[in-house]
Amino acid sequence: NAGVTQTPKFQVLKTGQSMTLQCAQDMNHEYMSWYRQDPGMGLRLIHYSVGAGITDQGEVPNGYNVSRSTTEDFPLRLLSAAPSQTSVYFCASSSPTEMNTEAFFGQGTRLTVV
Amino acid sequence: AQSVTQLDSQVPVFEEAPVELRCNYSSSVSVYLFWYVQYPNQGLQLLLKYLSGSTLVESINGFEAEFNKSQTSFHLRKPSVHISDTAEYFCAVTYTGTASKLTFGTGTRLQVTL
Repeated sequence: NAGVTQTPKFQVLKTGQSMTLQCAQDMNHEYMSWYRQDPGMGLRLIHYSVGAGITDQGEVPNGYNVSRSTTEDFPLRLLSAAPSQTSVYFCASSSPTEMNTEAFFGQGTRLTVV
Repeated sequence: AQSVTQLDSQVPVFEEAPVELRCNYSSSVSVYLFWYVQYPNQGLQLLLKYLSGSTLVESINGFEAEFNKSQTSFHLRKPSVHISDTAEYFCAVTYTGTASKLTFGTGTRLQVTL
């Protein structure tokens, strides 16, 4: 029972490098989201998707791209990493059914940009 | 703007003592409220949620929270804490009726000691 799987768990990047954080879920959830967690700031929404082919911006989208080609996968791309993107990134998935409203989170990716 | 306020960044408490973690949210016509718990180096796990109905909701490990619409609060309580309750606790709200776009508070670190 995997749930939400994020890879890698840790990553160090140099400023200007690009990379993709992977997120996959096996619960057939339509909704998927990316958050970043910074000390003293809680979690902030980066991008989210309500279905394959549909994405939208959250609170802090700058510097990040997303796409959703399948229900299962929702990768987050950093095109040109900056030190300000040093953070812990969490992917979450959820069902659109109101009574099942709950976000399931992955274990996180700890990213350091030097 | 939608917001969630957790005034206490840290709450130290002795084992078997009661605890209350405070959460206030900005008012809206309808709102769904959540408490998530994060153990060290892990993702977030749902502790309890309020969607509708009874304003008092309980978790399986003894926590409870009460939705108070007039005070726009959703405080988390436990009558007797255990060492294993040491973790960070996040209050979150969605105004959209789904868990795809959660607004989080900044978190409260609960430290339980003997």
